Amino acid sequence: GEQVEQRPPHLSVREGDSAIIICTYTDSATAYFSWYKQEAGAGLQLLMSVLSNVDRKEEQGLTVLLNKKEKRLSLNLTAAHPGDSAVYFCAVGANAYKVIFGKGTHLHVLP
Amino acid sequence: EAAVTQSPRNKVAVTGGKVTLSCNQTNNHNNMYWYRQDTGHGLRLIHYSYGAGSTEKGDIPDGYKASRPSQENFSLILELATPSQTSVYFCASGEWSQNTLYFGAGTRLSVL
Repeated sequence: GEQVEQRPPHLSVREGDSAIIICTYTDSATAYFSWYKQEAGAGLQLLMSVLSNVDRKEEQGLTVLLNKKEKRLSLNLTAAHPGDSAVYFCAVGANAYKVIFGKGTHLHVLP
Repeated sequence: EAAVTQSPRNKVAVTGGKVTLSCNQTNNHNNMYWYRQDTGHGLRLIHYSYGAGSTEKGDIPDGYKASRPSQENFSLILELATPSQTSVYFCASGEWSQNTLYFGAGTRLSVL
């Protein structure tokens, strides 16, 4: 079945720097790609999602890149600020019924 | 606004006892899910449902049952709770056409 690896597990950056999180997956039939943010004590909230026909998507300081050839999905937080400190998860799947989550990245943005 | 409400938010149970976690969604989504979140494992799918009356096994269904009596409600049932089921449980709803899942705030379960 689908396998997802997310890295790094922990990431510390200075305010204003970029933070990049990467997920690699194994199933070439994967068509559903999303990034979620989890703040302390809360559920996951969608940051951005892309379908398999999109290579790049930018919204509000976030950039998602999808490289289907290398089966790699990345999230780039440009100019991170302390409010971005949270746990970030990628989610991939061939459909919405069986989504696989990465193990998460704990991002700490230092002021 | 899409809303998924879980109850209780915190639960302490005894080994061998029965635990029911409840989830209600006002999104009118067909699909609902139960995940557990553990350090080092991320989120793992326990059960999911395509609609009222349906339940399907996820990746780690052993020791859990699910019930979907209506479009809005999806329950997770631990008939004989064990300490290994101590975790944070998340319910979610979603539609494939919307390409996103909406999560509840989670239930922290401790089995002693």
